[in-house]
Amino acid sequence: SAVISQKPSRDICQRGTSLTIQCQVDSQVTMMFWYRQQPGQSLTLIATANQGSEATYESGFVIDKFPISRPNLTFSTLTVSNMSPEDSSIYLCSVALNQETQYFGPGTRLLVL
Amino acid sequence: GENVEQHPSTLSVQEGDSAVIKCTYSDSASNYFPWYKQELGKRPQLIIDIRSNVGEKKDQRIAVTLNKTAKHFSLHITETQPEDSAVYFCAASKDQAGTALIFGKGTTLSVSS
Repeated sequence: SAVISQKPSRDICQRGTSLTIQCQVDSQVTMMFWYRQQPGQSLTLIATANQGSEATYESGFVIDKFPISRPNLTFSTLTVSNMSPEDSSIYLCSVALNQETQYFGPGTRLLVL
Repeated sequence: GENVEQHPSTLSVQEGDSAVIKCTYSDSASNYFPWYKQELGKRPQLIIDIRSNVGEKKDQRIAVTLNKTAKHFSLHITETQPEDSAVYFCAASKDQAGTALIFGKGTTLSVSS
């Protein structure tokens, strides 16, 4: 497996502001993903973070709301823009060490007031 | 796109009993099916996975079976212990490339001693 870290681990934000979440891996990985887990719910894929090109977003998620960067094979950021209380959730990055097996970061708990 | 249904949503067993969680998927192109265990306040942890060229896989007290024709797969936990209590998620690969995952809604397993 890999060591995956996320910053911040948690945050409380005011509506209308933006928060950037960082995901760092201790080894180079081909695939990185961002998921959202609302309280008591399952994981929903937001996007695939592609190195050197634009992220691939799932239905219901748009780049203006969730811009993603992937500057290299060990790092990615997810920004939650113009936040509302509905964005309160846990945001998790995951990495695929081979083509399929995915491991998750510890998550970022976001509360929007 | 892929859709994953998971049943039951909650499952209570006595210590030592077996537990079975079932999932169905919609996209016949999916070829990778992992199971994750998530304890309260922690990240999802991969516990076992299976690929479409295999019908069954076992790891100590945990086993997964796959029926490609019926498009369903199941998690079997034998000799359950209180530490098995958690939320279990099944998932299926989003496409044949076996990359991004689509998750079921989760099963809360409670093992009482």
